[in-house]
Amino acid sequence: AQRVTQPEKLLSVFKGAPVELKCNYSYSGSPELFWYVQYSRQRLQLLLRHISRESIKGFTADLNKGETSFHLKKPFAQEEDSAMYYCALMDMGRRALTFGSGTRLQVQP
Amino acid sequence: DSGVTQTPKHLITATGQRVTLRCSPRSGDLSVYWYQQSLDQGLQFLIQYYNGEERAKGNILERFSAQQFPDLHSELNLSSLELGDSALYFCASSVAGAGQFSGNTIYFGEGSWLTVV
Repeated sequence: AQRVTQPEKLLSVFKGAPVELKCNYSYSGSPELFWYVQYSRQRLQLLLRHISRESIKGFTADLNKGETSFHLKKPFAQEEDSAMYYCALMDMGRRALTFGSGTRLQVQP
Repeated sequence: DSGVTQTPKHLITATGQRVTLRCSPRSGDLSVYWYQQSLDQGLQFLIQYYNGEERAKGNILERFSAQQFPDLHSELNLSSLELGDSALYFCASSVAGAGQFSGNTIYFGEGSWLTVV
């Protein structure tokens, strides 16, 4: 069965420090992975998806099939990055997104 | 603004009652998904509809049901409500059913806050 694991519930860094939010997955097929961000219990916003290989708000994520990981990175954290971040796997079979438990990022001044 | 509209935004009701949550997908999107976000369970997939037909079921209780209408809006019906049903219920939509083609992106509404007292 597919699973998305975000091992850290909370990640606290200082402004300007590098950030890495960890995400590991298990999936038997070829995965499609996403990162969503949620500010203060608002709607989930798509941050980025691995097939696009894009950088949004300075965040990047690389799919590592060998390590089954899709970690989210940003070289210099900003205070406005403070939010909940969810890693998600699109399950082709169940036709739905499976989410990790989320990591709260706190960026301190 | 994602284009996915949910009503009501907030709802307070008593145990044992029944409520209906409504969702209008983005223009052109045929798929609608429902998710439940609670403090202890995180984000849980409930159910998906595509062009009026149920496509996938997740952790949806038997007390809950959903449907998608010909105009593609969807309703999630929650009955015999319990305190533990208090959560944020998200609707999401996409052009196609998840997995139908690579790159299908799912967009979320702002959610409906349900408080059961």
